[in-house]
Amino acid sequence: RKEVEQDPGPFNVPEGATVAFNCTYSNSASQSFFWYRQDCRKEPKLLMSVYSSGNEDGRFTAQLNRASQYISLLIRDSKLSDSATYLCVVNKDSNYQLIWGAGTKLIIKP
Amino acid sequence: DAGITQSPRHKVTETGTPVTLRCHQTENHRYMYWYRQDPGHGLRLIHYSYGVKDTDKGEVSDGYSVSRSKTEDFLLTLESATSSQTSVYFCASRGDTQYFGPGTRLTVL
Repeated sequence: RKEVEQDPGPFNVPEGATVAFNCTYSNSASQSFFWYRQDCRKEPKLLMSVYSSGNEDGRFTAQLNRASQYISLLIRDSKLSDSATYLCVVNKDSNYQLIWGAGTKLIIKP
Repeated sequence: DAGITQSPRHKVTETGTPVTLRCHQTENHRYMYWYRQDPGHGLRLIHYSYGVKDTDKGEVSDGYSVSRSKTEDFLLTLESATSSQTSVYFCASRGDTQYFGPGTRLTVL
């Protein structure tokens, strides 16, 4: 089993729709969780951290479910510019190593 | 965004030749990382550094070595490149989380 698992997609979604995807992780001791966004042939960039209480940043909402060991990302009112690969990231241990999911590809269609 | 640059951005080399990739950061971050990214895989850690001259192996370190003589520079060396090392290589440094350089596309023929 991979340490961090994501549905690779692609998710094909019409502009303006709401889309959500989950990520599961295997290390119950993980404390830090992130969503990164990666555009084609570019470097990953931090989208948002995921806090225990859940957090929202504009159209993006991230939630953490420790009991079931998954995190989720919800995108409302999707834009064409949201098309990208979304990477789920979990810390491995206290020495700042991160474990990366392979990513979920999102395609927003006009 | 953290100021991280990588050089070269693209390289084509032949099997058996040595290759060195350079990462430079201007944020005075203590931690730096080298990853490779391949289709179907998440970013995989090759080596990381937690200070000048302090480095440790990641999950895919075989065939790679690193050096960190200054806080701002982290070098990745492929001693004798193989075709399986064809990949995109990303360097990152850690502030509140990890921030990445633009990547190096390496092709080993």
